[in-house]
Amino acid sequence: DIQMTQSPSSLSASVGDRVTITCRASQTISTYLNWYQQKPGKAPNLLIYAASTLQSGVPSRFSGSGSGTDFTLTISSLQPEDFATYYCQQSYSYYTFGQGTKLEIK
Amino acid sequence: QVQLVQSGAEVKKPGASVKVSCKASGYIFTRYTIHWVRQAPGQRLEWMGWINSGNGDTKYSQSFQGRVQGRVTLTRDTSASTAYMEVRSLRPEDTAVYYCAKEGQFTGDFDYWGQGTLVTVSS
Repeated sequence: DIQMTQSPSSLSASVGDRVTITCRASQTISTYLNWYQQKPGKAPNLLIYAASTLQSGVPSRFSGSGSGTDFTLTISSLQPEDFATYYCQQSYSYYTFGQGTKLEIK
Repeated sequence: QVQLVQSGAEVKKPGASVKVSCKASGYIFTRYTIHWVRQAPGQRLEWMGWINSGNGDTKYSQSFQGRVQGRVTLTRDTSASTAYMEVRSLRPEDTAVYYCAKEGQFTGDFDYWGQGTLVTVSS
């Protein structure tokens, strides 16, 4: 199985901050990398697919980049509704998720 | 609009079975694969498997099926636009929220999710 590792596992930030979350795959996955946001008690919500394509309806402050084994999710200016847990997922060989990054208010 | 609506929370005793449903609407059910994802308390999302809603073919996560010893089965009813996930011989460690998700058009992302079904296994 392809292993996905996110860093950091948790992050404290303030409204208006620029935040970057990293995801590393245990082997190359081209750009078969997706990002999800999950709020407590809710289902995950697709933010970005194919490493850098914004899902319809997702605010443009979210962006993704990377290919091969290293990927990033960036939130350009944190809004109050962005405090949540973020997961990366590879869809190159079946599907595996990272352990999540919990984004908390500082 | 696309919606996946799952059945309600279940409380089961060890050894029982549970069958969770996922009713799809807003798109042609048979055209898109449905995936199932498990999230145990405080744990990461874990892909369980998929079902081809058109022909019923299934694929299970090897690592997941190995851990649950083949106790999970995915099925669908095209006439009802509904996918099902059954777990037999439930154990306390099966306690989790189970999600269904529709696969997107292009690169294996999961673009719509059900609301989740909490299955609690306790004596």
